[in-house]
Amino acid sequence: SQELEQSPQSLIVQEGKNLTINCTSSKTLYGLYWYKQKYGEGLIFLMMLQKGGEEKSHEKITAKLDEKKQQSSLHITASQPSHAGIYLCGADMVTGGGNKLTFGTGTQLKVEL
Amino acid sequence: NAGVTQTPKFRILKIGQSMTLQCTQDMNHNYMYWYRQDPGMGLKLIYYSVGAGITDKGEVPNGYNVSRSTTEDFPLRLELAAPSQTSVYFCASSYFREPTGELFFGEGSRLTVL
Repeated sequence: SQELEQSPQSLIVQEGKNLTINCTSSKTLYGLYWYKQKYGEGLIFLMMLQKGGEEKSHEKITAKLDEKKQQSSLHITASQPSHAGIYLCGADMVTGGGNKLTFGTGTQLKVEL
Repeated sequence: NAGVTQTPKFRILKIGQSMTLQCTQDMNHNYMYWYRQDPGMGLKLIYYSVGAGITDKGEVPNGYNVSRSTTEDFPLRLELAAPSQTSVYFCASSYFREPTGELFFGEGSRLTVL
């Protein structure tokens, strides 16, 4: 079983629509990290969340970590074709540091014109 | 800036063959990692290294070997390739000063074992 569960597995939205991706853990997380992957490329770091209730934004992407530090959401406002790709959450499930990450299964996002 | 460079990008192997995936980084990072990505399964950590001369197993190390003789290089060796090793392999690196979670990834190596 996956230690980090992501939902949905895939998502198709029309350009301009908002969307949310969720990442859930059965354990309390020391930190939660969001990455984006474009097809045929490596992962690009988006954001790190460490404190319960923390929220961070970068351009039109907002990520939140719940108070219990077991669930995170990634919200995209007014989606654009450039947002398309695979979004993965990651967490260090062992040491609490941020350098040996376990990843979720990913959410594939397609943005239709 | 080259960042993390992996070679080859694509490779087809026959069952039982061996090969080495090369990874080099020019950011003077002390941590390096090898992950494999299978469809619908996310990324699984194969091996990692916290510095030259030090390596440790990750979640799925069986069938693989690594070495870290320099800070820059972290090759992954596949001995006796099996169809279960068909996957996309990613090398990554990070600089451990405090937990940031920012790993720098290579573009991946797509391996098919037939």
